[in-house]
Amino acid sequence: AQSVTQLDSHVSVSEGTPVLLRCNYSSSYSPSLFWYVQHPNKGLQLLLKYTSAATLVKGINGFEAEFKKSETSFHLTKPSAHMSDAAEYFCVSPEGGYNKLIFGAGTRLAVHP
Amino acid sequence: NAGVTQTPKFQVLKTGQSMTLQCAQDMNHEYMSWYRQDPGMGLRLIHYSVGAGITDQGEVPNGYNVSRSTTEDFPLRLLSAAPSQTSVYFCASSYTGTAYGYTFGSGTRLTVV
Repeated sequence: AQSVTQLDSHVSVSEGTPVLLRCNYSSSYSPSLFWYVQHPNKGLQLLLKYTSAATLVKGINGFEAEFKKSETSFHLTKPSAHMSDAAEYFCVSPEGGYNKLIFGAGTRLAVHP
Repeated sequence: NAGVTQTPKFQVLKTGQSMTLQCAQDMNHEYMSWYRQDPGMGLRLIHYSVGAGITDQGEVPNGYNVSRSTTEDFPLRLLSAAPSQTSVYFCASSYTGTAYGYTFGSGTRLTVV
């Protein structure tokens, strides 16, 4: 069975500094992987997706993620954090022909002035 | 605006009461699904549907029923509410083969007392 593990439950950065949110996956084959963001009291929004094309994926709001098969990782990065990036981020893998989404436990990002 | 609409946004139930959480989408998506979100656990799949008349169980289906009589609607029924069902519920929909990613509703916050 597929699984995704988010290595940090909380990450705190200062505004203007880089962001790194870590995700490892477990799969017997090359999976598809998504990052979703959830702002407080809101639904989930797709940030970016990897579907076996380019390993470096660019998303919205300056975020990007790199798929590394040798490390089974799909870490999310942003060069410079903004206050509006404060939210919860989920690493997600579809399963069963995309019928089911397998969610990591989430990483809550705090951005300080 | 096109999207996934969930009602109600908030609900308080007494133990043993029943209710239906509504979900509607106007994007002609085949796939629809219900997730619950609990702190530290990400989102977990309750039930899903791959088209009108077709539903299946997800990871945590006990205590919930669904039906899919139309493409647009996918209601979630709680037959006899329990405090363990206190959670935030999200409905999501997608086209076949979710390289596009799922579209999520804004959620229903349910408290069972």
